Amino acid sequence: NAGVTQTPKFQVLKTGQSMTLQCAQDMNHEYMSWYRQDPGMGLRLIHYSVGAGITDQGEVPNGYNVSRSTTEDFPLRLLSAAPSQTSVYFCASASARGHTDTQYFGPGTRLTVL
Amino acid sequence: SQQGEEDPQALSIQEGENATMNCSYKTSINNLQWYRQNSGRGLVHLILIRSNEREKHSGRLRVTLDTSKKSSSLLITASRAADTASYFCAPGNTDKLIFGTGTRLQVFP
Repeated sequence: NAGVTQTPKFQVLKTGQSMTLQCAQDMNHEYMSWYRQDPGMGLRLIHYSVGAGITDQGEVPNGYNVSRSTTEDFPLRLLSAAPSQTSVYFCASASARGHTDTQYFGPGTRLTVL
Repeated sequence: SQQGEEDPQALSIQEGENATMNCSYKTSINNLQWYRQNSGRGLVHLILIRSNEREKHSGRLRVTLDTSKKSSSLLITASRAADTASYFCAPGNTDKLIFGTGTRLQVFP
């Protein structure tokens, strides 16, 4: 099993550009989530999904969109990138119990917005 | 939010010594998890302790949970240079699982 995969590993954007961060898991997990990690801030939850077709907002959802059309994929869209979105983004998945279960993290995407 | 708060923020020890990190949280929980993050990598799950458990062991790791004080501790015994990483606690309930800012552990050879 590949576990949780994320692409790209690195990305540089200009202010106002849009892009999609990809996340996929092959563990048949129902729960998937996106976090951003900034220095001194720890991990902050952006959006999460408890199953295909169901998404919900986390701690810092503004400026990001998600969708969950399949169990395997959970892409994160930046609609109009801003320098404040420069961060490391992590995708995670867990079994059906979601928040209270062991989270499996991807390797992260390092995003810089100029 | 039941965000965990780790203490200390940073810890430096010599190989062979024990390392203790603490976590406090604010609301009721179903369980509490500890994760490790090596520099530039994703988080890796270490151990999960349920709200009805007081202590749990996994190899060189020992976790305690005191729900009356809303606190947990992670003890790493006989530390190694490879234990150098950031450690995060994550209190969880059916609502959300939110991480704190972590403890940065440096183990010197």
